[in-house]
Amino acid sequence: DAGITQSPRHKVTETGTPVTLRCHQTENHRYMYWYRQDPGHGLRLIHYSYGVKDTDKGEVSDGYSVSRSKTEDFLLTLESATSSQTSVYFCAISERPDPLNEQFFGPGTRLTVL
Amino acid sequence: AQKITQTQPGMFVQEKEAVTLDCTYDTSDPSYGLFWYKQPSSGEMIFLIYQGSYDQQNATEGRYSLNFQKARKSANLVISASQLGDSAMYFCAMRELNQAGTALIFGKGTTLSVSS
Repeated sequence: DAGITQSPRHKVTETGTPVTLRCHQTENHRYMYWYRQDPGHGLRLIHYSYGVKDTDKGEVSDGYSVSRSKTEDFLLTLESATSSQTSVYFCAISERPDPLNEQFFGPGTRLTVL
Repeated sequence: AQKITQTQPGMFVQEKEAVTLDCTYDTSDPSYGLFWYKQPSSGEMIFLIYQGSYDQQNATEGRYSLNFQKARKSANLVISASQLGDSAMYFCAMRELNQAGTALIFGKGTTLSVSS
């Protein structure tokens, strides 16, 4: 199994509070991704990173920011959480941006915003 | 328009039977990859199989095979000899060069239920 961990695994927070989710990998892969999973939508890309300090937006990036100061860590921050950000968040890694290269997923973080 | 379409919200099969999960895709990029992931009730995303757009032969991994019909833009997953442990949500996904970060684009999933 690819070495990907996410923390926390579960979090309940209140509207308006900041939240940071962490993704840690031991595979030294260059590409890292944050997705959210909601019923009826599959997984959708929030942000991705193609190297240390190199990040870009995905399909559903509003209300989220990311940072990557080390190869192994990719942080997702909700500056002011809203109920619409209640979701399951998955981190994924990929060795190359090659369309034929698989992505491996972390275990997910279930976030509830009350 | 959806890039990945999975038209079967739920499928039911008995143990030891084969089952096909449908997936159609839409892309104008000549270079792309098609992937299937399994998500059991525990929630993790498990990579199963992939097919490259230039591959001439259908991909196989154990009991999983991918029925790739490029002209029809379909990439159906075939599970032979279903087992109770195959009960899960299955997602079809695509990576293409033109997509931001070549991130995966997912379908909405198909729930497979295997009964004894």
